[in-house]
Amino acid sequence: DTAVSQTPKYLVTQMGNDKSIKCEQNLGHDTMYWYKQDSKKFLKIMFSYNNKELIINETVPNRFSPKSPDKAHLNLHINSLELGDSAVYFCASSLNMGGEQYFGPGTRLTVT
Amino acid sequence: AQKVTQAQTEISVVEKEDVTLDCVYETRDTTYYLFWYKQPPSGELVFLIRRNSFDEQNEISGRYSWNFQKSTSSFNFTITASQVVDSAVYFCALSPTSGTYKYIFGTGTRLKVLA
Repeated sequence: DTAVSQTPKYLVTQMGNDKSIKCEQNLGHDTMYWYKQDSKKFLKIMFSYNNKELIINETVPNRFSPKSPDKAHLNLHINSLELGDSAVYFCASSLNMGGEQYFGPGTRLTVT
Repeated sequence: AQKVTQAQTEISVVEKEDVTLDCVYETRDTTYYLFWYKQPPSGELVFLIRRNSFDEQNEISGRYSWNFQKSTSSFNFTITASQVVDSAVYFCALSPTSGTYKYIFGTGTRLKVLA
């Protein structure tokens, strides 16, 4: 059983398009996260939600908008994609805030 | 401000050698969590360990061991008798135990274990 799943795994799109990445966890966790990993493997948190409430909203462009319809889902919508958005995006969850995180397989976004 | 430093960007060892990955952190919080994660070539991130700041006891899990020293703000990770399957990028991370619990990851250490 997949604990944290993301779709799609790969996303290739052109500049200016809008795209979404979906994340679901079946671990019963309260907290979910989005991270961006760049080509140098640097991991940076973007957002975190706890019980559907936004907790962390890092200084990312407002073209990025997370949505948590319920505790098990945290989706990421990106408007007007730019070349610099190309990266691997990881979703993660933890039982509660500060807990160890369980990561999804990542979504490799390529903007051309 | 919080910071996690992994000064070793890449380490290469020959199989069966022992290797230590360094992690030094900075925080003003009196209580915090420290973590290690592994990212193998397949790309997923795997949780290895969490340590509370009030618990300085070292931990051993099979070939893996962790040395937490508050006095030097270090949380080092040793792999004994390394194997090719240990080849990965290893990340150290820090989280406060209050507020937003914002994780700060180090920049990672790429470990290559050669057969």
